Amino acid sequence: AAGVIQSPRHLIKEKRETATLKCYPIPRHDTVYWYQQGPGQDPQFLISFYEKMQSDKGSIPDRFSAQQFSDYHSELNMSSLELGDSALYFCASSTRDREFADTQYFGPGTRLTVL
Amino acid sequence: AQSVTQLGSHVSVSEGALVLLRCNYSSSVPPYLFWYVQYPNQGLQLLLKYTSAATLVKGINGFEAEFKKSETSFHLTKPSAHMSDAAEYFCAVKTSYDKVIFGPGTSLSVIP
Repeated sequence: AAGVIQSPRHLIKEKRETATLKCYPIPRHDTVYWYQQGPGQDPQFLISFYEKMQSDKGSIPDRFSAQQFSDYHSELNMSSLELGDSALYFCASSTRDREFADTQYFGPGTRLTVL
Repeated sequence: AQSVTQLGSHVSVSEGALVLLRCNYSSSVPPYLFWYVQYPNQGLQLLLKYTSAATLVKGINGFEAEFKKSETSFHLTKPSAHMSDAAEYFCAVKTSYDKVIFGPGTSLSVIP
């Protein structure tokens, strides 16, 4: 079965640079979530989109922005990167179809390292 | 607001022994509950989920969890641990169409 695809899988950036993370949800999933997992931490919710509209916002820094496109893929844009942004970034997708509702399926993550 | 606590950040069991990972939740509305597993340097894999159907939920790899509303618990069990079960386990809660709130995680070690 198709899973959530994230690219790139690994990314190394310098401080103050920008980064763009991409997420391709499971086909026919209409909702995308972004999470950040710091070293030894549990994943923390950043932001979500339903049908291309922002549906919820968590602890996402102002330096970060995200959007969901017409094909439902999503991009997380990160600017003025800081050392503390080094983390594993997960994307998850779900559908509001009643049979599958309320289950988020996670991608493999993008490991961002800021030097 | 929802929250999740997991008792024991590290659990060690012998191979073949019972695995018990504890999870308690707090939610003002009927929750959906999940267990995810994360292997080293891997993503999050859904083990099982409770969505208000049967209170005893069976998942992959021989794991199961029981939802106990009176105890606000959703403990994860497996009758016989295997070396390949060594991983980080996250209990999580959410309500409809909402973000997932993760517990702090429990690292499971399996001793040969």
